[in-house]
Amino acid sequence: EAGVVQSPRYKIIEKKQPVAFWCNPISGHNTLYWYRQNLGQGPELLIRYENEEAVDDSQLPKDRFSAERLKGVDSTLKIQPAELGDSAVYLCASSLDGGTYEQYFGPGTRLTVT
Amino acid sequence: GESVGLHLPTLSVQEGDNSIINCAYSNSASDYFIWYKQESGKGPQFIIDIRSNMDKRQGQRVTVLLNKTVKHLSLQIAATQPGDSAVYFCAEMRTDKLIFGTGTRLQVFP
Repeated sequence: EAGVVQSPRYKIIEKKQPVAFWCNPISGHNTLYWYRQNLGQGPELLIRYENEEAVDDSQLPKDRFSAERLKGVDSTLKIQPAELGDSAVYLCASSLDGGTYEQYFGPGTRLTVT
Repeated sequence: GESVGLHLPTLSVQEGDNSIINCAYSNSASDYFIWYKQESGKGPQFIIDIRSNMDKRQGQRVTVLLNKTVKHLSLQIAATQPGDSAVYFCAEMRTDKLIFGTGTRLQVFP
């Protein structure tokens, strides 16, 4: 069974430029998560989707970050414009449902903003 | 590969020895806890979980202990192998949200 797929794996952009990350969850998983992981820290939740609905986006900086999960499968996370402090690894995870169902993480996208 | 952290607490153990990684959590209302393993360049991988109505749970070569009185969680790895080298995170489930703790880097030397 294929795991969570993310692309690109690495992205280097200049500040003020836009960037987008793509995630394909495990087939059949209704819940999709985007996390940000700063160097030396654990992942922090940005947004959680139940099917197409964003049910928890309280940690998403909405002035510059946006996300969508059209058709309840793939998801994209966008930053516009990027700032130096956005440099981090962006992880996507999926689970059968929310709550205590096991979350499966993708390999992440490492973003460097210069 | 890329590093997930440069200044993490580090535990160095010899191959074949047992490892114990500790974690303190903050919210006494948390009722579900998970240990994750993160290798360089990869996302976190589920190792073992435990609910608050238990104080011990065993898996293959791993044991998680939960002490709710002092809000402490530990992961024990038996007969540590080179493939166990990674950063380990504990996480607590709080209102349907996973809150990750500070990671510990485990280094296994021959």
